[in-house]
Amino acid sequence: DADVTQTPRNRITKTGKRIMLECSQTKGHDRMYWYRQDPGLGLRLIYYSFDVKDINKGEISDGYSVSRQAQAKFSLSLESAIPNQTALYFCATSLGTGHNQPQHFGDGTRLSIL
Amino acid sequence: GENVEQHPSTLSVQEGDSAVIKCTYSDSASNYFPWYKQELGKRPQLIIDIRSNVGEKKDQRIAVTLNKTAKHFSLHITETQPEDSAVYFCAASRASGNTPLVFGKGTRLSVIA
Repeated sequence: DADVTQTPRNRITKTGKRIMLECSQTKGHDRMYWYRQDPGLGLRLIYYSFDVKDINKGEISDGYSVSRQAQAKFSLSLESAIPNQTALYFCATSLGTGHNQPQHFGDGTRLSIL
Repeated sequence: GENVEQHPSTLSVQEGDSAVIKCTYSDSASNYFPWYKQELGKRPQLIIDIRSNVGEKKDQRIAVTLNKTAKHFSLHITETQPEDSAVYFCAASRASGNTPLVFGKGTRLSVIA
């Protein structure tokens, strides 16, 4: 089945380490997104990409960077992880040229920074 | 930018009763309003969406209503069942331009058998 795959599913690391979360999709969608989920705060957008040449900051991009290696791959990096970046991270994709298309989420990466 | 507020943050209902979750938005140009359901430990999944050219949309036990004048929209679940227990998120966006989807903070619905 066409899907959105995130790796790793869980990661525990230490403050100051560089972390990369990866997302790949087989849906053929152009748009990809990275969200962060914290209890009581909902889903907050970190970065999004319309295509391989287009990267946009979201609501909470500070401390994060992204790379769109191909249409199907979108990676999120934490250059120097800090404890308040402990959260559940979701990748999502959508079809189309506007923002009014359903988003399809991956299973999430649970990241803990000690 | 867009701001979406969602109420209540938690909701408990008896099985068979109805549940209503309400959201308000700030950007009068927003015209796409999806609802996502996230079961415990799972990914969010779209359950229904509505666009600004209609005031109501139904899909079996789920309905969404939209009041563009008041800038609010609501999710209605009838004849609730235990499997409806989840966190529900509303969201809003414009169809065009560089304005991505903005989510509400979520409502945790518990259906008590």
